[in-house]
Amino acid sequence: ELKVEQNPLFLSMQEGKNYTIYCNYSTTSDRLYWYRQDPGKSLESLFVLLSNGAVKQEGRLMASLDTKARLSTLHITAAVHDLSATYFCAVDRAAGNKLTFGGGTRVLVKP
Amino acid sequence: GAGVSQSPSNKVTEKGKDVELRCDPISGHTALYWYRQSLGQGLEFLIYFQGNSAPDKSGLPSDRFSAERTGGSVSTLTIQRTQQEDSAVYLCASSVDRGRYQETQYFGPGTRLLVL
Repeated sequence: ELKVEQNPLFLSMQEGKNYTIYCNYSTTSDRLYWYRQDPGKSLESLFVLLSNGAVKQEGRLMASLDTKARLSTLHITAAVHDLSATYFCAVDRAAGNKLTFGGGTRVLVKP
Repeated sequence: GAGVSQSPSNKVTEKGKDVELRCDPISGHTALYWYRQSLGQGLEFLIYFQGNSAPDKSGLPSDRFSAERTGGSVSTLTIQRTQQEDSAVYLCASSVDRGRYQETQYFGPGTRLLVL
């Protein structure tokens, strides 16, 4: 059974500082996704990582994938208040085409 | 362009009643998914439709849950004899069908179901 674990579950950030969210998964996967969810809203796609060593960046967010370690990281550079949200990683197994989600990391950026 | 839409946005029902939740996928997306998000269980896969293939129902929690997709577009998730533990946000997603490998799934706003 595929398991996806994120840590930390909650991250209190100070504006201007850098932080990392970790996503571990238990079995081989073809692709990994990062989503953002604002309170009361749906999931917004951030990144799709397709291969070992993949790195994608958008603004202050950068995601990377190490398939050998079964680990993805979401790095936040110089946090700002607008980044406050819950971040989910999800893994897509080729045979299933269905996402298995991590438990989410709730991020709160304080001034 | 228009995203995934779901209706109703909120639904309050009494225990034992049946409910129907609707999903309109993004035009041209042939893959459609239902997920459930609850405090206790997080985000869980429920069912997946791909084109004209038989749906993958492996995530449905009980036989009270069923889903249909008519004409390869709109989908309806039906919960019969609702229970309090069915209270959750039901999310629909769609994606472009690339055969074995799917593209990014785009999520709708969800239906918040409360069973009293």
